[in-house]
Amino acid sequence: RKEVEQDPGPFNVPEGATVAFNCTYSNSASQSFFWYRQDCRKEPKLLMSVYSSGNEDGRFTAQLNRASQYISLLIRDSKLSDSATYLCVVTPNNAGNMLTFGGGTRLMVKP
Amino acid sequence: DTGVSQNPRHKITKRGQNVTFRCDPISEHNRLYWYRQTLGQGPEFLTYFQNEAQLEKSRLLSDRFSAERPKGSFSTLEIQRTEQGDSAMYLCASSSDEERLSSYNEQFFGPGTRLTVL
Repeated sequence: RKEVEQDPGPFNVPEGATVAFNCTYSNSASQSFFWYRQDCRKEPKLLMSVYSSGNEDGRFTAQLNRASQYISLLIRDSKLSDSATYLCVVTPNNAGNMLTFGGGTRLMVKP
Repeated sequence: DTGVSQNPRHKITKRGQNVTFRCDPISEHNRLYWYRQTLGQGPEFLTYFQNEAQLEKSRLLSDRFSAERPKGSFSTLEIQRTEQGDSAMYLCASSSDEERLSSYNEQFFGPGTRLTVL
């Protein structure tokens, strides 16, 4: 079983739609949680950190449920430019802060 | 450009050859990471440096792989006797553990080196 599991998609949605991605992680000692965005043939870039209290950044909302070991990302009012792969990322309990990535969920927003 | 840079961007080699990749991190970053990404998968951690010290190595890093960061700045990743299974994107990332920085602990990735082993 992978440490971080995601539905690979693709999620095909029309512009303006709301879409949600989920992710589960297996290491209950995981300390930090993130969503990264990766465009085709580009490097991953940090989209947002995820906190237990939930956090919002514009059209993006992230939630963390430590009891269920579950992370979510909600995108409202999807734009064509949101088309990308969204990577769920956790860090284990270590000083080095190495990132453990899920396989990614591909989103395609269509006109 | 003050981001993470990697060279070469693409490398095609024949099975059995040795290859070396270079990563130049963001200048004030003391931590440097190597990851590997294959098609349709997320990046997988390979190894990590704190300044010049290699502090962590993944089980994925077989004895054909060696990484160095001799002066705590740039790093090299060498693969000896390449195999077709080594074909992947090799990503380098850097971060700082200095809390004074607004980007404290955020890992910034380079564009990667795409390796194809024929």
